[in-house]
Amino acid sequence: DVKVTQSSRYLVKRTGEKVFLECVQDMDHENMFWYRQDPGLGLRLIYFSYDVKMKEKGDIPEGYSVSREKKERFSLILESASTNQTSMYLCASSSTLGLNYGYTFGSGTRLTVV
Amino acid sequence: AQSVTQPDIHITVSEGASLELRCNYSYGATPYLFWYVQSPGQGLQLLLKYFSGDTLVQGIKGFEAEFKRSQSSFNLRKPSVHWSDAAEYFCAGLGSNFGNEKLTFGTGTRLTIIP
Repeated sequence: DVKVTQSSRYLVKRTGEKVFLECVQDMDHENMFWYRQDPGLGLRLIYFSYDVKMKEKGDIPEGYSVSREKKERFSLILESASTNQTSMYLCASSSTLGLNYGYTFGSGTRLTVV
Repeated sequence: AQSVTQPDIHITVSEGASLELRCNYSYGATPYLFWYVQSPGQGLQLLLKYFSGDTLVQGIKGFEAEFKRSQSSFNLRKPSVHWSDAAEYFCAGLGSNFGNEKLTFGTGTRLTIIP
């Protein structure tokens, strides 16, 4: 069974901390994505990557950065966490050759910044 | 701009009743269209997808959706809901031209099932 694995289900961090959210996929997918999900706002794209060491900004990149050193791993970094970054974070991956199959999602990381 | 709209934030239906969740899209060309379901505290699971051909598509868990180009819609239906269908449902679109591989999501519809 194909999988996208997010390293933590729940995280509590303090304001100003540097936070790393990790995502690993085992499907050899080229594309990986980070979304945040907030009530009433749906899923909003933070960053995405089409290939190793490549990254592009999504709709709400401010306050975030990403790293993709290996094809299977895509990390989201909160340089200095703030309370307005309390949210559910979802990682996803997709194949460039199989766009019509959509994305495969991880189970999400619920981050609380206090 | 490409967009997907779900006009209903919250829908309540009785167990055993039929269900229709609305989704409208705005794309230059016919997009790939998807419905995802999210149970509480979980990630998103793909219910069904449309990318060409037959406009009525069948998915998992007894769901189906119909693509209507004239109405720019891709509504999700189920003839008889079960209590386990209570969840949040997201419609999403993907541009079908290469180089535009980002899914655009609607804001979701939360489904409540009453006995």
